[in-house]
Amino acid sequence: RKEVEQDPGPFNVPEGATVAFNCTYSNSASQSFFWYRQDCRKEPKLLMSVYSSGNEDGRFTAQLNRASQYISLLIRDSKLSDSATYLCVVNPDTGRRALTFGSGTRLQVQP
Amino acid sequence: ETGVTQTPRHLVMGMTNKKSLKCEQHLGHNAMYWYKQSAKKPLELMFVYSLEERVENNSVPSRFSPECPNSSHLFLHLHTLQPEDSALYLCASSEGLAGMYEQYFGPGTRLTVT
Repeated sequence: RKEVEQDPGPFNVPEGATVAFNCTYSNSASQSFFWYRQDCRKEPKLLMSVYSSGNEDGRFTAQLNRASQYISLLIRDSKLSDSATYLCVVNPDTGRRALTFGSGTRLQVQP
Repeated sequence: ETGVTQTPRHLVMGMTNKKSLKCEQHLGHNAMYWYKQSAKKPLELMFVYSLEERVENNSVPSRFSPECPNSSHLFLHLHTLQPEDSALYLCASSEGLAGMYEQYFGPGTRLTVT
Protein backbone atom coordinates (compact mmCIF):
# COMPACT_ATOMS: atom_id res chain seq x y z
CA ARG A 1 0.00 0.00 0.00
CA LYS A 2 1.29 3.45 -0.90
CA GLU A 3 2.07 5.80 1.97
CA VAL A 4 -0.21 8.46 0.52
CA GLU A 5 -2.93 7.72 -2.04
CA GLN A 6 -5.03 10.08 -4.07
CA ASP A 7 -7.52 9.74 -6.90
CA PRO A 8 -5.65 11.23 -9.86
CA GLY A 9 -8.83 12.59 -11.46
CA PRO A 10 -9.30 14.69 -13.44
CA PHE A 11 -12.26 16.18 -11.71
CA ASN A 12 -14.08 18.34 -14.27
CA VAL A 13 -16.53 20.71 -12.59
CA PRO A 14 -18.40 23.84 -13.67
CA GLU A 15 -17.67 27.22 -12.14
CA GLY A 16 -19.50 27.69 -8.88
CA ALA A 17 -19.60 23.98 -8.07
CA THR A 18 -18.47 22.42 -4.82
CA VAL A 19 -15.87 19.70 -5.15
CA ALA A 20 -14.19 17.46 -2.60
CA PHE A 21 -11.03 15.37 -2.70
CA ASN A 22 -9.97 12.66 -0.31
CA CYS A 23 -6.55 11.31 0.42
CA THR A 24 -5.67 8.23 2.44
CA TYR A 25 -2.45 7.61 4.33
CA SER A 26 -1.05 4.33 5.55
CA ASN A 27 0.86 5.22 8.71
CA SER A 28 -1.43 5.72 11.68
CA ALA A 29 1.39 7.52 13.49
CA SER A 30 1.42 10.34 10.95
CA GLN A 31 1.52 13.70 12.64
CA SER A 32 1.34 16.50 10.09
CA PHE A 33 -0.90 16.92 7.09
CA PHE A 34 -1.02 19.48 4.33
CA TRP A 35 -2.59 20.30 1.01
CA TYR A 36 -0.28 21.78 -1.62
CA ARG A 37 -1.33 23.13 -4.97
CA GLN A 38 0.68 22.69 -8.16
CA ASP A 39 -0.17 24.57 -11.32
CA CYS A 40 0.81 23.11 -14.67
CA ARG A 41 4.60 23.20 -15.10
CA LYS A 42 5.05 25.15 -11.88
CA GLU A 43 6.35 24.31 -8.43
CA PRO A 44 4.11 23.13 -5.58
CA LYS A 45 2.91 25.75 -3.11
CA LEU A 46 1.31 25.28 0.28
CA LEU A 47 -2.45 25.70 0.15
CA MET A 48 -3.24 24.92 3.76
CA SER A 49 -2.25 22.83 6.72
CA VAL A 50 -4.77 20.32 8.05
CA TYR A 51 -5.50 20.43 11.76
CA SER A 52 -7.12 17.75 13.87
CA SER A 53 -10.20 19.87 14.46
CA GLY A 54 -10.54 20.77 10.80
CA ASN A 55 -9.89 24.21 9.42
CA GLU A 56 -11.24 26.63 6.87
CA ASP A 57 -9.62 29.27 4.74
CA GLY A 58 -12.12 31.18 2.66
CA ARG A 59 -13.66 28.77 0.16
CA PHE A 60 -11.37 25.93 1.23
CA THR A 61 -12.07 23.51 4.08
CA ALA A 62 -9.72 20.76 5.20
CA GLN A 63 -10.67 17.85 7.44
CA LEU A 64 -8.72 15.08 9.11
CA ASN A 65 -10.19 11.71 10.00
CA ARG A 66 -7.62 9.81 12.04
CA ALA A 67 -9.84 6.78 12.63
CA SER A 68 -10.17 6.14 8.90
CA GLN A 69 -6.77 7.63 8.06
CA TYR A 70 -7.82 10.14 5.47
CA ILE A 71 -7.82 13.84 4.92
CA SER A 72 -10.14 15.79 2.71
CA LEU A 73 -10.23 19.10 0.90
CA LEU A 74 -13.50 20.81 0.06
CA ILE A 75 -13.61 23.69 -2.40
CA ARG A 76 -16.78 25.74 -2.53
CA ASP A 77 -17.86 28.09 -5.32
CA SER A 78 -15.11 26.86 -7.66
CA LYS A 79 -13.30 29.44 -9.76
CA LEU A 80 -11.50 28.95 -13.05
CA SER A 81 -8.30 29.84 -11.20
CA ASP A 82 -8.75 26.83 -8.93
CA SER A 83 -7.77 24.57 -11.85
CA ALA A 84 -4.60 22.85 -10.71
CA THR A 85 -3.28 19.63 -9.22
CA TYR A 86 -3.85 19.28 -5.49
CA LEU A 87 -1.20 17.35 -3.62
CA CYS A 88 -1.90 15.60 -0.36
CA VAL A 89 1.18 15.74 1.86
CA VAL A 90 1.87 13.80 5.03
CA ASN A 91 4.67 13.58 7.53
CA PRO A 92 4.59 9.79 8.07
CA ASP A 93 6.07 9.77 11.55
CA THR A 94 7.99 11.94 13.92
CA GLY A 95 11.29 10.29 13.00
CA ARG A 96 11.10 11.34 9.36
CA ARG A 97 12.91 14.43 8.27
CA ALA A 98 10.72 15.27 5.31
CA LEU A 99 7.26 15.03 3.88
CA THR A 100 5.66 12.36 1.70
CA PHE A 101 3.71 13.65 -1.27
CA GLY A 102 0.77 12.01 -2.98
CA SER A 103 0.61 11.89 -6.76
CA GLY A 104 -2.01 14.61 -6.80
CA THR A 105 -5.61 15.08 -7.89
CA ARG A 106 -6.16 17.18 -10.97
CA LEU A 107 -9.02 19.66 -10.93
CA GLN A 108 -10.32 21.38 -14.04
CA VAL A 109 -12.94 24.06 -13.49
CA GLN A 110 -14.87 24.83 -16.64
CA PRO A 111 -16.75 28.00 -17.58
CA GLU B 1 15.67 38.41 -5.09
CA THR B 2 13.31 36.52 -2.84
CA GLY B 3 12.23 32.94 -2.28
CA VAL B 4 13.96 29.97 -3.80
CA THR B 5 15.73 30.23 -7.14
CA GLN B 6 17.06 27.46 -9.33
CA THR B 7 19.38 27.49 -12.33
CA PRO B 8 19.32 26.46 -15.04
CA ARG B 9 15.59 26.23 -15.69
CA HIS B 10 16.09 23.80 -18.55
CA LEU B 11 18.97 21.44 -19.23
CA VAL B 12 19.62 18.93 -21.99
CA MET B 13 22.60 16.69 -21.49
CA GLY B 14 24.07 13.56 -22.95
CA MET B 15 24.71 10.47 -20.89
CA THR B 16 28.44 11.13 -20.75
CA ASN B 17 28.18 14.77 -19.68
CA LYS B 18 28.75 16.26 -16.25
CA LYS B 19 26.55 19.15 -15.16
CA SER B 20 25.39 20.80 -11.95
CA LEU B 21 22.07 22.17 -10.80
CA LYS B 22 22.10 25.14 -8.46
CA CYS B 23 19.59 26.19 -5.85
CA GLU B 24 19.64 29.30 -3.69
CA GLN B 25 17.22 30.29 -0.97
CA HIS B 26 16.84 33.86 0.29
CA LEU B 27 14.52 33.03 3.18
CA GLY B 28 17.00 32.43 5.96
CA HIS B 29 15.91 28.81 6.22
CA ASN B 30 17.97 26.06 7.80
CA ALA B 31 16.84 23.03 5.80
CA MET B 32 17.07 22.37 2.08
CA TYR B 33 15.84 19.51 -0.09
CA TRP B 34 16.17 18.00 -3.54
CA TYR B 35 13.13 16.31 -5.08
CA LYS B 36 12.60 14.54 -8.39
CA GLN B 37 9.24 14.79 -10.13
CA SER B 38 8.59 12.47 -13.06
CA ALA B 39 5.45 12.52 -15.15
CA LYS B 40 2.42 11.08 -13.35
CA LYS B 41 4.48 10.16 -10.28
CA PRO B 42 4.59 11.77 -6.85
CA LEU B 43 7.48 13.91 -5.80
CA GLU B 44 10.37 11.70 -4.77
CA LEU B 45 12.59 13.01 -2.01
CA MET B 46 16.27 12.65 -2.91
CA PHE B 47 18.30 14.49 -0.29
CA VAL B 48 17.76 16.54 2.86
CA TYR B 49 20.23 18.97 4.37
CA SER B 50 19.97 20.67 7.72
CA LEU B 51 22.49 23.40 8.55
CA GLU B 52 24.71 22.16 5.70
CA GLU B 53 24.74 18.59 6.99
CA ARG B 54 23.12 15.82 4.97
CA VAL B 55 20.52 14.17 7.16
CA GLU B 56 18.72 11.99 4.66
CA ASN B 57 19.66 10.24 1.45
CA ASN B 58 16.84 8.23 -0.04
CA SER B 59 18.74 5.48 -1.87
CA VAL B 60 19.64 7.79 -4.71
CA PRO B 61 22.10 6.44 -7.33
CA SER B 62 25.64 7.73 -6.98
CA ARG B 63 25.40 9.47 -10.34
CA PHE B 64 23.59 12.18 -8.34
CA SER B 65 25.89 13.95 -5.90
CA PRO B 66 24.60 16.75 -3.66
CA GLU B 67 26.64 19.53 -2.15
CA CYS B 68 25.60 22.12 0.42
CA PRO B 69 28.41 24.64 0.97
CA ASN B 70 26.29 26.87 3.23
CA SER B 71 22.72 27.13 4.43
CA SER B 72 21.66 29.25 1.43
CA HIS B 73 23.05 27.17 -1.41
CA LEU B 74 22.48 23.64 -2.59
CA PHE B 75 23.91 21.93 -5.63
CA LEU B 76 23.13 18.68 -7.39
CA HIS B 77 26.06 17.37 -9.44
CA LEU B 78 25.12 15.06 -12.26
CA HIS B 79 27.30 12.60 -14.17
CA THR B 80 26.73 9.64 -16.48
CA LEU B 81 22.97 9.98 -16.23
CA GLN B 82 20.43 7.66 -17.86
CA PRO B 83 17.43 8.64 -20.01
CA GLU B 84 15.10 7.61 -17.16
CA ASP B 85 16.66 10.41 -15.10
CA SER B 86 14.85 12.93 -17.28
CA ALA B 87 12.47 14.75 -14.95
CA LEU B 88 11.76 17.99 -13.15
CA TYR B 89 14.21 18.52 -10.29
CA LEU B 90 12.83 20.68 -7.53
CA CYS B 91 14.70 22.32 -4.71
CA ALA B 92 12.89 23.33 -1.54
CA SER B 93 13.72 24.93 1.76
CA SER B 94 12.04 25.15 5.14
CA GLU B 95 12.62 26.98 8.37
CA GLY B 96 13.45 23.74 10.13
CA LEU B 97 13.35 20.08 9.28
CA ALA B 98 9.94 19.35 7.86
CA GLY B 99 7.27 17.60 9.67
CA MET B 100 5.62 20.77 10.74
CA TYR B 101 7.27 23.39 8.56
CA GLU B 102 6.00 24.60 5.22
CA GLN B 103 8.34 23.85 2.35
CA TYR B 104 9.00 26.55 -0.20
CA PHE B 105 9.87 25.26 -3.64
CA GLY B 106 11.95 26.71 -6.40
CA PRO B 107 10.66 26.71 -9.98
CA GLY B 108 12.62 23.58 -10.83
CA THR B 109 15.09 22.49 -13.48
CA ARG B 110 13.58 20.47 -16.31
CA LEU B 111 16.25 17.95 -17.22
CA THR B 112 16.34 15.92 -20.41
CA VAL B 113 18.95 13.21 -20.79
CA THR B 114 19.60 12.15 -24.37
